[in-house]
Parts: sequence; C-alpha cells; structure tokens
Amino acid sequence: DAKTTQPNSMESNEEEPVHLPCNHSTISGTDYIHWYRQLPSQGPEYVIHGLTSNVNNRMASLAIAEDRKSSTLILHRATLRDAAVYYCILTSKISSGSARQLTFGSGTQLTVLP
Amino acid sequence: DVKVTQSSRYLVKRTGEKVFLECVQDMDHENMFWYRQDPGLGLRLIYFSYDVKMKEKGDIPEGYSVSREKKERFSLILESASTNQTSMYLCASRQRGGNTEAFFGQGTRLTVV
Repeated sequence: DAKTTQPNSMESNEEEPVHLPCNHSTISGTDYIHWYRQLPSQGPEYVIHGLTSNVNNRMASLAIAEDRKSSTLILHRATLRDAAVYYCILTSKISSGSARQLTFGSGTQLTVLP
Repeated sequence: DVKVTQSSRYLVKRTGEKVFLECVQDMDHENMFWYRQDPGLGLRLIYFSYDVKMKEKGDIPEGYSVSREKKERFSLILESASTNQTSMYLCASRQRGGNTEAFFGQGTRLTVV
C-alpha cells in the first residue's frame, strides 16, 4: 500500500500562510491525495483532495508536484482555529471496497501562535 | 445537519461487559469504518464494512466484532470489555469511489474500569 510521510509538528504565526508538506513517493496513478484535519476533541473533517492538478476550495489549497510524489496543503491565512492535526492520505480510484481506502498515519500537529 | 451520529459521547463500562457502540449515517453511503484513537498512535482501523452484512478486518480487529444489518447502521461490539480497550472510538462513512470525502462522527470516549 502506498504510504505518506509528514512532519510530526509545525508552527505558524497567526494570519500568515502555512505550507504543510506530504511525501508519497510510492503513489500509483489511480490514487487520490486527500487531506483531513482533526480539531481538539472532534472527529476528523475533510479538507481537500486532488488527483493531478492543484485544487482550491474555501478552506485551503492543494499543490501537487508534477511527478505526484509529494503535495502541499496551503492555508492562506492561519487562524487560531486552524490549530489541529492534519492528515494526508491516499485513496484509490479502484479497489474502492477495500479498507485501505481510509488509512491514517500520524499526521502533522499544527500549532498557530497568536 | 448531523450526518454521522454515534450513540454515546461518553461511556463507562465494567471489565467483562459486552459493549455495543452504534453508528448511524444518513447519506446512503456504502462504506463505513470503525477506528480507535489513542495518544501517540493516531487513528487505527478496527473494522470496515463495504455493504450490508459485508465486513473486512482492519489493523487491530482482535477483541472486537461488528454488525451491519442495515445500510445506515454499523455497530462495533466488544464481546468482553477489557481495560486496554479504553479509548476514543470514531465511526466514519464514505461513498464508494476514490474521490469521495469521508464523514466522521464526534467520537465515543469509552472507559473500561
């Protein structure tokens, strides 16, 4: 199974952009890149996902390397409410009946400093 | 607009008790998941169901079983609760397909005494 690697923790100042990296060097051509985040005392929530092209939504942007072996989640202006654990995971376009669809690693703990 | 509902937010049970954790989703999703989350260990998959009455073991199924009699409901069963099953339990559901998002419940914090 393709795995992802993320830094254990990162810090950012409030109202500054944050770039959260993820390496997935064994990604296959049918894998989507998903990002979730988990706020304290809550279940994870979806942030964004993409396949090949960069993606934007109201929460964040996702920049995907041309070779797809890495990606970066971008929070354009971090707020204190963005302090959370951010997870980068891969889900396959095929074998959608498999449990491997939603396997989480340890994620990156983002601390936002006021 | 709650989409994934877990029956209890907090639960305290005694060692040896049979424990049922219930999860209901209202989005007609095929796939449902049960995880446990412990400090320093992240989310670990216990069981997964991809259809009614269909299940697949995750990474840590020992000591647990599941039931999916209806599409919207996925139950996690601790046949004989033990103190090492004290944890946060999270349920998720997701439509089949690689580009669909998963929805999580708020979690059940289970304490076994």
